[in-house]
Amino acid sequence: DSGVTQTPKHLITATGQRVTLRCSPRSGDLSVYWYQQSLDQGLQFLIQYYNGEERAKGNILERFSAQQFPDLHSELNLSSLELGDSALYFCASSAGRGAYEQYFGPGTRLTVT
Amino acid sequence: DQQVKQNSPSLSVQEGRISILNCDYTNSMFDYFLWYKKYPAEGPTFLISISSIKDKNEDGRFTVFLNKSAKHLSLHIVPSQPGDSAVYFCAAIRPSGSARQLTFGSGTQLTVLP
Repeated sequence: DSGVTQTPKHLITATGQRVTLRCSPRSGDLSVYWYQQSLDQGLQFLIQYYNGEERAKGNILERFSAQQFPDLHSELNLSSLELGDSALYFCASSAGRGAYEQYFGPGTRLTVT
Repeated sequence: DQQVKQNSPSLSVQEGRISILNCDYTNSMFDYFLWYKKYPAEGPTFLISISSIKDKNEDGRFTVFLNKSAKHLSLHIVPSQPGDSAVYFCAAIRPSGSARQLTFGSGTQLTVLP
């Protein structure tokens, strides 16, 4: 158990809908990262927040957005969903500014039908 | 453009022998490297890491070697155990301020045969 929690574990929704994925980092970790794992793209970095502020952006679509709240939990919002958005979405966390090791949650499996 | 490459999609090893997983990278700005193990339907689990200022790091049965001139790293598992069967990902970080995003390779499926 990494100490990172993600809800829900599974999500099935229709095209055009909007969903919110939630992540709670390990106790004391300030950075939260979101990654997408799809069959054809592997594990891809989406976005990083550090202590409430966006720090890095990867291959994140404009239909997707995220935020980190004062209690350090994070939410990833996916809107206007398309079939191709079906994937595993992982959250990871790491400690302070000098930390490199990231610890991953169990993931949310999103299926868009 | 794949900046981190794992050219072997799969590897089979006998229990008790050494497993060697390889990884190559192209971006010379990467300065920290990590290995993760992943079981199906679970998140990646951190195994071991190495800074670019070192050429070897060891933790129990796991050793990571880094050859900066060749832009190559490898993970050695000795002795291999059936529970080590999983997909192994190497990942690299090019830090920029407090940005620490991981760039992953495509993974190698390790099967340890009893």
